[in-house]
Amino acid sequence: QSVLTQPPSVSEAPRQRVTISCSGSTSNIGNNAVNWYQHLPGKAPKLLIYFDGLLPPGVSGRFSGSKSGTSVSLAISGLQSEDEGVYYCASWDDSLNGWVFGGGTKLTVL
Amino acid sequence: QVRLQESGPGLVQPSETLSLTCSVSGVSISSGNYYWVWIRQTPGKGLEWIGSFFYTGSASYTPSVKSRVTISVDTSKSQVSLKLSSVTAADTAVYFCARGRDGYNGVDYWGQGTLVSVTS
Repeated sequence: QSVLTQPPSVSEAPRQRVTISCSGSTSNIGNNAVNWYQHLPGKAPKLLIYFDGLLPPGVSGRFSGSKSGTSVSLAISGLQSEDEGVYYCASWDDSLNGWVFGGGTKLTVL
Repeated sequence: QVRLQESGPGLVQPSETLSLTCSVSGVSISSGNYYWVWIRQTPGKGLEWIGSFFYTGSASYTPSVKSRVTISVDTSKSQVSLKLSSVTAADTAVYFCARGRDGYNGVDYWGQGTLVSVTS
């Protein structure tokens, strides 16, 4: 069981917009920033979003992150087939004194 | 271009020590701007942070493996190592090496991961 809760899967048609949620508690998301990672088949996981909503250099503006209380969301607009993969949220946890992750959400582009 | 590549035995016997190496290229492993992280992924528990090693020489570990784990850095070889002793089947996982960076709120680069199975 992962400390952060994500839906196991989401799906949407090409060119549409999808959101992936991630919920936690006051010891992690509620008190610390969140990163999002994209894990495409056969590749190393990649940083998509850091500090809740910032994009690293080279990451498409189709990705965006938001936060409200103890939950965060990742939005992907203009879906493309190459976006298919698994998306993870991550946050520092003050109780564990370490990093915690969501269980991952598998994105299928229909 | 930053590259992290994990290597090590794919099979480890129960009760023995799991040893993995992460070869780092494209960045100075001794830079104070980064720290080095091991993360594993199991079918049952998902992604689990194992521990981090800082340029000061200190390390922190997740409580569940703290008594069995050591992360270290060999700057001469630009390698990060992971040693996990007294392994059981529960330690079967894909092990990822990663780079941490405070300015990016944690891990900003990952290796591709390596599967380690604990079995007799």
